[in-house]
Amino acid sequence: ETGVTQTPRHLVMGMTNKKSLKCEQHLGHNAMYWYKQSAKKPLELMFVYSLEERVENNSVPSRFSPECPNSSHLFLHLHTLQPEDSALYLCASSQEGRDNQPQHFGDGTRLSIL
Amino acid sequence: DAKTTQPTSMDCAEGRAANLPCNHSTISGNEYVYWYRQIHSQGPQYIIHGLKNNETNEMASLIITEDRKSSTLILPHATLRDTAVYYCIVRESSGGGADGLTFGKGTHLIIQP
Repeated sequence: ETGVTQTPRHLVMGMTNKKSLKCEQHLGHNAMYWYKQSAKKPLELMFVYSLEERVENNSVPSRFSPECPNSSHLFLHLHTLQPEDSALYLCASSQEGRDNQPQHFGDGTRLSIL
Repeated sequence: DAKTTQPTSMDCAEGRAANLPCNHSTISGNEYVYWYRQIHSQGPQYIIHGLKNNETNEMASLIITEDRKSSTLILPHATLRDTAVYYCIVRESSGGGADGLTFGKGTHLIIQP
C-alpha cells in the first residue's frame, strides 16, 4: 500500500468513447503527477500539478485533459483516443516545499484502446 | 534524455548482495541521485536517495563515489521478491517546486533461486 490509489486498474475503451482515470492520495501531499508508460519505453511525464495548479504540460495531446479539484484527487479525462495511447498510466504524489522528498506512485491504470 | 547509464540486466543469487551500478558523469552539484524499482504490474517504488554521502535505510544502501560521477545501489540479502527493474535517476534539488522525474530504461535485476 503506497498511499496512492488509482482506479480503475484496467480499462478497455473504443476510440470514440469518453472515460476518466482517477487518482487519490492519502499522504497529505501537495503535488500530483501523471506519467505514461508504453510497452518497451521508459516512463514519460505528462502533467504536474502543484497546489492544485498545473505547472507542467509535457506536450501532451489535447485528447488527454487533466483535472485536479483538490490536493488529494487527480483525474485524467480521455476522449477520442488512438491505439498508440494504449499504455500504463501512473499517478504519483509528493510533498513539495520540503526539499528532495520522493514521489510516491500508484499501481497505475492499464488502458487498452480498441 | 535520461542523465544516467545503467546495465540493461543483471543476475544475482538469492541470499547474496545485489550491487547495481549507475553512471551519472554529468551530474551537477545540486542534483541528487534517486533509486526506484518497478515490480511487474506495479508502479515504481521509491528506495533511497542521496547527494554525496553514503545512505542506508531498511531497504538498501547507496554508495556514491567521491567525484559523484557514479553510484551503486546495494541490496544486502537479495530475495526472489527483489526481482524488478531498478531505475537510477538524477534530479535537481527542487527548491520547493514540483518537478517530474526523468526515467531511463533501468536495470532488470533477476534474482535466481
